[in-house]
Amino acid sequence: NAGVTQTPKFQVLKTGQSMTLQCAQDMNHEYMSWYRQDPGMGLRLIHYSVGAGITDQGEVPNGYNVSRSTTEDFPLRLLSAAPSQTSVYFCASSSWTSTEQFFGPGTRLTVL
Amino acid sequence: GNSVTQMEGPVTLSEEAFLTINCTYTATGYPSLFWYVQYPGEGLQLLLKATKADDKGSNKGFEATYRKETTSFHLEKGSVQVSDSAVYFCALSVGTSYDKVIFGPGTSLSVIP
Repeated sequence: NAGVTQTPKFQVLKTGQSMTLQCAQDMNHEYMSWYRQDPGMGLRLIHYSVGAGITDQGEVPNGYNVSRSTTEDFPLRLLSAAPSQTSVYFCASSSWTSTEQFFGPGTRLTVL
Repeated sequence: GNSVTQMEGPVTLSEEAFLTINCTYTATGYPSLFWYVQYPGEGLQLLLKATKADDKGSNKGFEATYRKETTSFHLEKGSVQVSDSAVYFCALSVGTSYDKVIFGPGTSLSVIP
């Protein structure tokens, strides 16, 4: 049981490049979400999903796309990276019956 | 709207000292309250939670009591260890919807031998 896994752990991009952050969970959780963590700002919700085929926007969705084709996977796409997207990104999952969230180890992204 | 306020860090304590990290909240309805801990280089993990007024959550020697009258959920530990060095996040949720989970900014704790 690996829990929530994220790849890559580190990434450096140039402005305008695109990339996909991968997230997978093996706990059969319905809920999955993406947060970004910035100094002094806690975690801010980017996008979330309540099940396969269903996604919705969080607090800071601009510049990011998501899809949920399976229960296990929830990739986050940066369409055209900007320096303001330099951050640490966390994926999390939760079951329908609990608000306890299980977090992945994070991806540290730098956009030059 | 809903919000969480935590004491500013960083906090530096000597081993075996008493720890308090203050957390206050603003919420509509009756939120559940959480403390998450983030060890260096890792994701967040749930430390403890309380779902109604006067509940006390506890884990690994840490405690926090849900105080509705003061809208607070302060984290305490009687004797900290070096291994407790981490960032601590207070959070609340209203209902079970993901978009209703609000995190505080986090408080960094360093424990020195």
